Amino acid sequence: DQQVKQNSPSLSVQEGRISILNCDYTNSMFDYFLWYKKYPAEGPTFLISISSIKDKNEDGRFTVFLNKSAKHLSLHIVPSQPGDSAVYFCAASWDDKIIFGKGTRLHILP
Amino acid sequence: DAGVIQSPRHEVTEMGQEVTLRCKPISGHDYLFWYRQTMMRGLELLIYFNNNVPIDDSGMPEDRFSAKMPNASFSTLKIQPSEPRDSAVYFCASSLSGYSYEQYFGPGTRLTVT
Repeated sequence: DQQVKQNSPSLSVQEGRISILNCDYTNSMFDYFLWYKKYPAEGPTFLISISSIKDKNEDGRFTVFLNKSAKHLSLHIVPSQPGDSAVYFCAASWDDKIIFGKGTRLHILP
Repeated sequence: DAGVIQSPRHEVTEMGQEVTLRCKPISGHDYLFWYRQTMMRGLELLIYFNNNVPIDDSGMPEDRFSAKMPNASFSTLKIQPSEPRDSAVYFCASSLSGYSYEQYFGPGTRLTVT
C-alpha cells in the first residue's frame, strides 16, 4: 500500500512555462513533506520542504503547496529551465518514518 | 566537504556471494540512512543510525541484510548471501537532525547480482 503517491510517471513542459508536480498521501499523521531532485547516476538532492502547519513555502523558482484536507501537495517550478529536467521525488515523514514516492520524470522542452 | 562518499560505485557479483557496500557520511552529521531504489518499489528506507546507533531497521528486507556503523565516519551495508532480486541502486545519506531535515545523499552503488 503506497502511502505517498506520485501518479504521473513523467511530465513534459516547455522551457519558460510553469511545471507542476503533484503528490498525494494517505497518512494524516505525516507532519513534514520534502521534495528531492535526482539527476541520472547521482543521488537525490534536497529541494524544498514544508511543515504540516503551513500551506505554502517558497524558495526562488520553487514553491510547494500543501492542501491537508485533500492530502495533496504540489511543487511549482516557474519559470522552468533546461536544468530542471530530472526525476522529482516527494517524501513525507512522521515519527521517525519517511516514505518516498516513486518519482516523476520532468522533461523541459526547448 | 566532499559530501557523502559511497564505494564501490558499481558492483557485479554472482548469486550467493557476500557483498559489502561502504559509506562515509558528511562530517558532523548525526544521522545516517541506507536506502534502496528499484523500479518496482521506488526509494525505500532500509535502516538508519543516530550517533552510530541503529534506531530503526524495520525496512531491512530480511536477515541476509545487515548494517553497521562502527564510528561516526563509516558505515557498511552487507548482503550475505546475495540474490538476483537484490539488484538495485543503494544510497547512503546523512543529515544533521533526522528525517524532517535535509538529507544529503551519496552517488549510490549500483549492485547487479547475476
